Amino acid sequence: AQSVTQLDSQVPVFEEAPVELRCNYSSSVSVYLFWYVQYPNQGLQLLLKYLSGSTLVKGINGFEAEFNKSQTSFHLRKPSVHISDTAEYFCAVSATTDKLIFGTGTRLQVFP
Amino acid sequence: EPEVTQTPSHQVTQMGQEVILRCVPISNHLYFYWYRQILGQKVEFLVSFYNNEISEKSEIFDDQFSVERPDGSNFTLKIRSTKLEDSAMYFCASSLGLNNEQFFGPGTRLTVL
Repeated sequence: AQSVTQLDSQVPVFEEAPVELRCNYSSSVSVYLFWYVQYPNQGLQLLLKYLSGSTLVKGINGFEAEFNKSQTSFHLRKPSVHISDTAEYFCAVSATTDKLIFGTGTRLQVFP
Repeated sequence: EPEVTQTPSHQVTQMGQEVILRCVPISNHLYFYWYRQILGQKVEFLVSFYNNEISEKSEIFDDQFSVERPDGSNFTLKIRSTKLEDSAMYFCASSLGLNNEQFFGPGTRLTVL
């Protein structure tokens, strides 16, 4: 079975500062990894995904994530955040089937 | 841009009543999913559906739940006799194929009183 841990429930940051949202996973098999974003009153939108190949994955809105197999991590980063990045961010994994297993989410709050 | 839609956005029901949550997946997608998120908790997988049958379901998806694709465009989740603990946000998703991106709808907030 797989599980996902997002250690930070909330991350406050000032505009234009860098941010890292942490995600660790547990699995006995190879996994695919995803980051989704949820803006208020909207559905989940895919930011980026890692299926195979390069461990550094670039996504939409300037976000990127690095797959680290030895540390079983897939942390999300952005070098300079905007107010519009304020949202809930979910890390997710899938393994042999395509059901997504989500973490508890991290609320990113960007202050001016 | 095509999107997944869900209706209603908010459903309030009495305990023991049946509810049907509706979803219209993206038209050329073949795989369909329901997830739910109880307030303050993680998003949980309920069921996946392909080729007019359930391909996988979670422990949450007991006999009170059923899914259907009645007309080739809608994808519904029925809860036969709602319980207080069914109160949650329910998300529908669809994808073109296995391990393709799952596109999520905006969700239906179900409140069971």
